[in-house]
Amino acid sequence: QSVLTQPASVSGSPGQSITLSCTGTSSDVGSFNLVSWYQQHPGKAPKLMIYEVSKRPSGVANRFSGSKSGNTASLTISGLQAEDEADYYCCSYAGSSTHVVFGGGTRLTVL
Amino acid sequence: QLQLQESGPGLVKPSETLSLTCTVSGGSVSSSSYFWGWIRQPPGKGLEWIGTIYYSGTTHYNPSLKSRVTISVDTSKNNFSLKLTSVTAADTAVYYCAREAVADNCFDPWGQGTLVTVSS
Repeated sequence: QSVLTQPASVSGSPGQSITLSCTGTSSDVGSFNLVSWYQQHPGKAPKLMIYEVSKRPSGVANRFSGSKSGNTASLTISGLQAEDEADYYCCSYAGSSTHVVFGGGTRLTVL
Repeated sequence: QLQLQESGPGLVKPSETLSLTCTVSGGSVSSSSYFWGWIRQPPGKGLEWIGTIYYSGTTHYNPSLKSRVTISVDTSKNNFSLKLTSVTAADTAVYYCAREAVADNCFDPWGQGTLVTVSS
């Protein structure tokens, strides 16, 4: 069982906006602004999409944005496109003893 | 452009030791700005962080795997390695290596991953 809780699946239509959630605890998400999000297409390695809660690496579309409130981090994808269909994982720093923890992942389906 | 490449046996027998190496090109494992990590993904399941090493040799391990995991770094060969002992079928997974930023603990880039199957 993953430490961070993500919904198993989310769906949306092209052009819509959707938000994926990632719920942790006061020991990880709630204590550090060190949440990252990864996109994984089938058979491919994960790709960093968001780091430090809301920062985008160069090359990542500005349709992707991140935020955090309390123990829950969120990834919002606006103007949904077919190519956004993938699995999304969140990750958080969790202190020196645990280091990092991942969520169980959310499968995004573009209808 | 930094690239990472995993290598090692694709098949390991139960109770034996899984050994993988990640070779880094286009950058140095001796950089003070980065950790170097291993993450795995069982077929059809999510990502699981295994552990991370700094060029100095300092390690961090997933508490659930700590008793079976050793990660080491070879700065002369610019690579780092994973050993997982006493493997079972539950250790069958795609194993990824990745660079982890010290400043923000995000993993980027990742290697392509290598499937390791535990079976007799």
